[in-house]
Amino acid sequence: NAGVMQNPRHLVRRRGQEARLRCSPMKGHSHVYWYRQLPEEGLKFMVYLQKENIIDESGMPKERFSAEFPKEGPSILRIQQVVRGDSAAYFCASSPQNGFGNTIYFGEGSWLTVV
Amino acid sequence: DQQVKQNSPSLSVQEGRISILNCDYTNSMFDYFLWYKKYPAEGPTFLISISSIKDKNEDGRFTVFLNKSAKHLSLHIVPSQPGDSAVYFCAAGDNYGQNFVFGPGTRLSVLP
Repeated sequence: NAGVMQNPRHLVRRRGQEARLRCSPMKGHSHVYWYRQLPEEGLKFMVYLQKENIIDESGMPKERFSAEFPKEGPSILRIQQVVRGDSAAYFCASSPQNGFGNTIYFGEGSWLTVV
Repeated sequence: DQQVKQNSPSLSVQEGRISILNCDYTNSMFDYFLWYKKYPAEGPTFLISISSIKDKNEDGRFTVFLNKSAKHLSLHIVPSQPGDSAVYFCAAGDNYGQNFVFGPGTRLSVLP
């Protein structure tokens, strides 16, 4: 499967715990985007990363959320001290390069439930 | 402040007829637009795109029309099939697409 791979697909965390969501982009893609979909809402941009660089994090909450895309390995979205309002579907997308006319391709999503 | 709007939360169409999904945007810097289809519990699937240098792009049963002066685009599905029943998202990007902004989605139901 050469698509965008996300894991885990489903994650349950208690309030105050940490959640780590992983994303491996499509082969040959070096740009990663994270989006969040709250229940009954659309997709909200969170962060855009290239290898070892955060390019745009304007959609990230100021506290508890962080993202990285190391030189080796998947991109990680980390949520510390989770609260019930963090329960959502988190989608990762990737593109081959940053250029006009590039399409972003999504993974299947990670569903976080905070209990 | 919603930069990308899809004012119809839902749409029902008879099988075989045309489905028209609309999208409006406010940011005149947007110049590249995409449509995605999403089934429950799955990720969005790319359908079709259009850049601002065109006013129409066609791919099989899917056609996207762009009216830059009105800041409006639409997705036409002809003929509609029951498998097209899903939520459709419009997305817009500027220049080098660093941040695609998505609309809230329209739920399409194609009735047999």
